[in-house]
Amino acid sequence: DAGVTQSPTHLIKTRGQQVTLRCSPISGHKSVSWYQQVLGQGPQFIFQYYEKEERGRGNFPDRFSARQFPNYSSELNVNALLLGDSALYLCASSLRGQSNQPQHFGDGTRLSIL
Amino acid sequence: AQKITQTQPGMFVQEKEAVTLDCTYDTSDPSYGLFWYKQPSSGEMIFLIYQGSYDQQNATEGRYSLNFQKARKSANLVISASQLGDSAMYFCAMREGLSGGFKTIFGAGTRLFVKA
Repeated sequence: DAGVTQSPTHLIKTRGQQVTLRCSPISGHKSVSWYQQVLGQGPQFIFQYYEKEERGRGNFPDRFSARQFPNYSSELNVNALLLGDSALYLCASSLRGQSNQPQHFGDGTRLSIL
Repeated sequence: AQKITQTQPGMFVQEKEAVTLDCTYDTSDPSYGLFWYKQPSSGEMIFLIYQGSYDQQNATEGRYSLNFQKARKSANLVISASQLGDSAMYFCAMREGLSGGFKTIFGAGTRLFVKA
């Protein structure tokens, strides 16, 4: 079975632009979470979606938004990009997003802002 | 507020020896899950082991075991018989079951170096 897939792998943008990152969960998984990992730090929680509804949000500005589609895939959108948005963006899926269920991560999208 | 602390930025271990990576957590939620992940230099995050707050026994998965001390709020990862391929960043993470809003928080990580 395929794992969590993310696209694109790498992305280069300039300040002020907008970006959309995509994620396909493991088949059968209905919960998707997004994380930002700045170099040298642990992942920071951005969003969690379950059954197409937002179930959790981290301390990120409104420039960050996401959605989940009927097939449980997800997109993360970031508007008005800043230099500080340069990071590895990780998507993770789990069966239902409960506290006793491990999350399985994709390989991430490395976003560089020039 | 939930918090994860990993106090060891880097650890060295000789190949074939055991190593313990420390993790302490803080939460007021009686229901929570604790996770350890491995992140090699290639970047992918690999799930290693899970411990539930109500689990009576320490979790084990192959060479990985979790030393869960609930009263001390610690969840240390023990890797037995270290291998060169174990060299990576290791993250401890927690998800609260009731009040966490489905948020998972991660510690700052510990970089493990396995010496031949």
